[in-house]
Amino acid sequence: SAVISQKPSRDICQRGTSLTIQCQVDSQVTMMFWYRQQPGQSLTLIATANQGSEATYESGFVIDKFPISRPNLTFSTLTVSNMSPEDSSIYLCSVEREIAGDEQFFGPGTRLTVL
Amino acid sequence: QKEVEQNSGPLSVPEGAIASLNCTYSDRGSQSFFWYRQYSGKSPELIMSIYSNGDKEDGRFTAQLNKASQYVSLLIRDSQPSDSATYLCAVNGPRMDSSYKLIFGSGTRLLVRP
Repeated sequence: SAVISQKPSRDICQRGTSLTIQCQVDSQVTMMFWYRQQPGQSLTLIATANQGSEATYESGFVIDKFPISRPNLTFSTLTVSNMSPEDSSIYLCSVEREIAGDEQFFGPGTRLTVL
Repeated sequence: QKEVEQNSGPLSVPEGAIASLNCTYSDRGSQSFFWYRQYSGKSPELIMSIYSNGDKEDGRFTAQLNKASQYVSLLIRDSQPSDSATYLCAVNGPRMDSSYKLIFGSGTRLLVRP
């Protein structure tokens, strides 16, 4: 599986501020994904980030709130903008390795608390 | 109806027993099925993938798929306390642009009693 790192691992932020989460992969991948896992709940896909194109957002998630960058095949960022306490979640990036079909492997996650 | 359904548990089994985790899904067009294990405070870890009807075995884990019944299960033989975790079923489902995305169930919490 891919080695995926995320920064920061956790953060406590004030409402109204923004936080950018970084995801780094040890090899080139085409598909990168950003998920949210709210307390006690399962994973919800926020968007798919492909290098060289705009991110594709799922229903209920918009670019103004969750802007995503994908500057190359090993890196992506997710920004959580104008945060409110409802944004308190774990944010996870994942990658799909072509040699592994459509299996996805997850990074360690970023635990965000908004006060 | 949820797209991917799992019993939230907890499923409690004694050490050494077989744990059986079940998942149903709604989209008949789904082709890929996955089981992830998630320890508390950790990210999901892929433990099994299955694409064809029948059984797929990997060590103590067996995934079973029945597309006609839209049912996928995970059996854990000789359960160990270290298997205590939440098990997430994931199924690929269609998106508006005709590509696919993973849809996760809410997870089943497994507790293996020593």
